[in-house]
Amino acid sequence: GAVVSQHPSRVICKSGTSVKIECRSLDFQATTMFWYRQFPKQSLMLMATSNEGSKATYEQGVEKDKFLINHASLTLSTLTVTSAHPEDSSFYICSAAKDRAFGMNTEAFFGQGTRLTVV
Amino acid sequence: AQSVTQPDIHITVSEGASLELRCNYSYGATPYLFWYVQSPGQGLQLLLKYFSGDTLVQGIKGFEAEFKRSQSSFNLRKPSVHWSDAAEYFCAVGLGLSGNTPLVFGKGTRLSVIA
Repeated sequence: GAVVSQHPSRVICKSGTSVKIECRSLDFQATTMFWYRQFPKQSLMLMATSNEGSKATYEQGVEKDKFLINHASLTLSTLTVTSAHPEDSSFYICSAAKDRAFGMNTEAFFGQGTRLTVV
Repeated sequence: AQSVTQPDIHITVSEGASLELRCNYSYGATPYLFWYVQSPGQGLQLLLKYFSGDTLVQGIKGFEAEFKRSQSSFNLRKPSVHWSDAAEYFCAVGLGLSGNTPLVFGKGTRLSVIA
């Protein structure tokens, strides 16, 4: 099956610094990638939709200046948490859509997730 | 607005016993339904999905789910649970036909398996 690789899997950073998380589709091209955030013992909440070559679309309540998304190529999207604060500590997961239409052989492929801890 | 409800936050079953995890959805159009499993600190693995056709869907690891439109449900079942099934399970609905639309997730059900 298709593979989505997310890096790093775990990062600890100081408050006020920025952290970049990478999401790569290893064996397919992804026009669209999604970034989700998961709080402890909570569900995944969509943060933004990343479209290759254009600006990301952010969900209501997500600060676009704080969570910078860049989708520079068909295989890479990055999420940068700027000026991180302890409340940004969370589990961030990306997913990539392989095909443009849902079908019997289409699904959203998820990265392994990144555990961010801001101290 | 679309929503997914998983009524059970935590379920404990004995190894070898049967399992049913409940999922109800609210969506105005034809739903595209998914079940994912997440082990601690890990990403999501797709167990099964429903798009159309046979309402009983077979997935990996011996799981199955049945789509019941009249009840707006998509419950996940397994006849005999193994200790390795202990994990968090998420039901999700796709917001549209395009693969470029995101998923809406339920809050998850944590499954514990006891000997």
